[in-house]
Amino acid sequence: EVQLVQSGGGLVQPGRSLRLSCTTSGFIFGDYDMTWVRQAPGKGLAWVGFIRSKTYGATTEYAASVKGRFTISRDDSKSIAYLQMNSLKTEDTAVYYCTRGRGILDYWGQGTLVTVSS
Amino acid sequence: EIVLTQSPDTLSLSPGERGTLSCRASQSVSSSYIAWYQQKPGRAPRLLIYAASNRATGVPDRFSGSGSGTDFTLIISRLEPEDFAVFYCQYYGSSALIFGGGTKVEIK
Repeated sequence: EVQLVQSGGGLVQPGRSLRLSCTTSGFIFGDYDMTWVRQAPGKGLAWVGFIRSKTYGATTEYAASVKGRFTISRDDSKSIAYLQMNSLKTEDTAVYYCTRGRGILDYWGQGTLVTVSS
Repeated sequence: EIVLTQSPDTLSLSPGERGTLSCRASQSVSSSYIAWYQQKPGRAPRLLIYAASNRATGVPDRFSGSGSGTDFTLIISRLEPEDFAVFYCQYYGSSALIFGGGTKVEIK
């Protein structure tokens, strides 16, 4: 059974950092690209970024709103994807989802709430 | 940058009725890169349709997708009580993903 279990959310002050983890099982993690999507309270879905598999160089792409502040990485030996969020802003407050894939997002984590507030 | 506009914002229907949801792209896109998701309150989204018309694993055949160019449609042939939710279309390019604003299908 494919599972994506997220951890690491919470309350953080503006300007601080937070790292989210997405621990996966049930599939060969190294074969898949991984994507992060967020959803601000009461709003729609917004793409954050993705990381390609190592076959494609584990390269990353980011939405303009987070580029230069957020970094996606992966540890294929542990089947975990990470989202490092630096210089957080109040507008980054959202539920963050990790997902399997880069276009077709066929499995999703449960989501984790990140609240940026002083 | 491509923008996806979904309509209507809200669709009020009764169980058993047919629902038609629209997703319009600001420029022509390949239908191979259009997907649809369903999201229920407090839950993660669920993949319904990929490549515009292919149902994901386990998706009932009352859900169907179609379209090409700039106009894409998700049809729910006969609404079941569990189908009421928010639906999002998505375009996936080589270096970005774009979501539409969503259509809420609510019980009339």
